[in-house]
Amino acid sequence: EVQLVQSGAEVKKPGESLKISCQGSGYSFTSYWIAWVRQMPGKGLEWMGIIHPGDSDTRYSPSFQGQVTISADRSISTAYLQWSSLKASDTAMYYCARESRELSETFFDSWGQGTLVTVSS
Amino acid sequence: DIQMTQSPSSLSASVGDRVTITCRASQSISSYLNWYQQKPGKAPKLLIYGAYSLQSGVPSRFSGSGSGTDFTLTISSLQPEDFATYYCQQSYTTPRTFGQGTKVEIK
Repeated sequence: EVQLVQSGAEVKKPGESLKISCQGSGYSFTSYWIAWVRQMPGKGLEWMGIIHPGDSDTRYSPSFQGQVTISADRSISTAYLQWSSLKASDTAMYYCARESRELSETFFDSWGQGTLVTVSS
Repeated sequence: DIQMTQSPSSLSASVGDRVTITCRASQSISSYLNWYQQKPGKAPKLLIYGAYSLQSGVPSRFSGSGSGTDFTLTISSLQPEDFATYYCQQSYTTPRTFGQGTKVEIK
């Protein structure tokens, strides 16, 4: 069974750093892209960026470029999303998702359970 | 970025109703369009990929159509478990972008 398991909820202060994780199992972790998706409270889904754990090729949404860093450690089948200096506006649920491909179509067919990040002084 | 616009933003419907949600892309995306369902407190779930292909395990009352810039998600007979928020998403290029969502509520 394909599973993406994310790290637990975090409460941080503005200016602090944070790294959250997403561990894949039940499939070849290095063969699929992993995306990060933000959902602010009561709002919709926003695609932040994506990484290919096989070669660490990474793409960012212009909205998030320079604001976060996406990385992966293929030896432990884990992708990461990190901030160097959190803001209150980073308060949100963050999901990782596996991007699968069928012929030329790509889609997010497996999602983590989400990590709630709360940034408050 | 490609902008995805869904309509309506919300709708009220009864069990058994036929429900249609539309999604429009700001430029042609061929058939690179996916639909997701999200229930409160849960991760999104893939329903339809490639505009009309039903994901394994998804009930056949869900269907998708369209190509180019205009797409539709149809629920042929709304069931109690279908009350949720639905999102379209383009996979034509990065950044992948989502529509703003359509909340389906009980009438």
